[in-house]
Amino acid sequence: DQQVKQNSPSLSVQEGRISILNCDYTNSMFDYFLWYKKYPAEGPTFLISISSIKDKNEDGRFTVFLNKSAKHLSLHIVPSQPGDSAVYFCGGGGATNKLIFGTGTLLAVQP
Amino acid sequence: EAQVTQNPRYLITVTGKKLTVTCSQNMNHEYMSWYRQDPGLGLRQIYYSMNVEVTDKGDVPEGYKVSRKEKRNFPLILESPSPNQTSLYFCASSFREYNSPLHFGNGTRLTVT
Repeated sequence: DQQVKQNSPSLSVQEGRISILNCDYTNSMFDYFLWYKKYPAEGPTFLISISSIKDKNEDGRFTVFLNKSAKHLSLHIVPSQPGDSAVYFCGGGGATNKLIFGTGTLLAVQP
Repeated sequence: EAQVTQNPRYLITVTGKKLTVTCSQNMNHEYMSWYRQDPGLGLRQIYYSMNVEVTDKGDVPEGYKVSRKEKRNFPLILESPSPNQTSLYFCASSFREYNSPLHFGNGTRLTVT
């Protein structure tokens, strides 16, 4: 039972354009969500988070949107840069639910 | 520098030969956890620890053991490794379990033949 799903294994975007990475979840008890970025041969690094009481959180070029009714969140990167090329994992958790990760999306930003 | 250090980075072993992957953090974090990453399966939790001497199973604990004798260290032990434990392993720590970003180590690539 995959509680967090990233249905796009990969995404290719031109430099300077917007990258949109999607994530769906099934557990309505999740009340926080996080995005991590992972480069090859390195561990995942925390990127941005959002609480379920918000529908948007912004940090520089990165914005996460949360649609609770649809159980869907998305990460927007604007503008995309070649250094953003990495695997992105979303994760959801709650007070009574440990953090569960999705399967990841490989983003390739083409120069 | 705040970091999670795991060793070794790469390990090739044979079925049944006991091994330990070490993990240490210097951030005084209460919470530590082990994950494995496999193609198409993402990051799955093996074991976690809320504090010293407190450990519990994650989603895929079979074939693994852990211990938390000191706050900074959280070794992963494979008593009798099997080929299905060939994977990329990550140790992580955070201030607390709930809503607290994890800091990950750089990973241990394990191959069991």
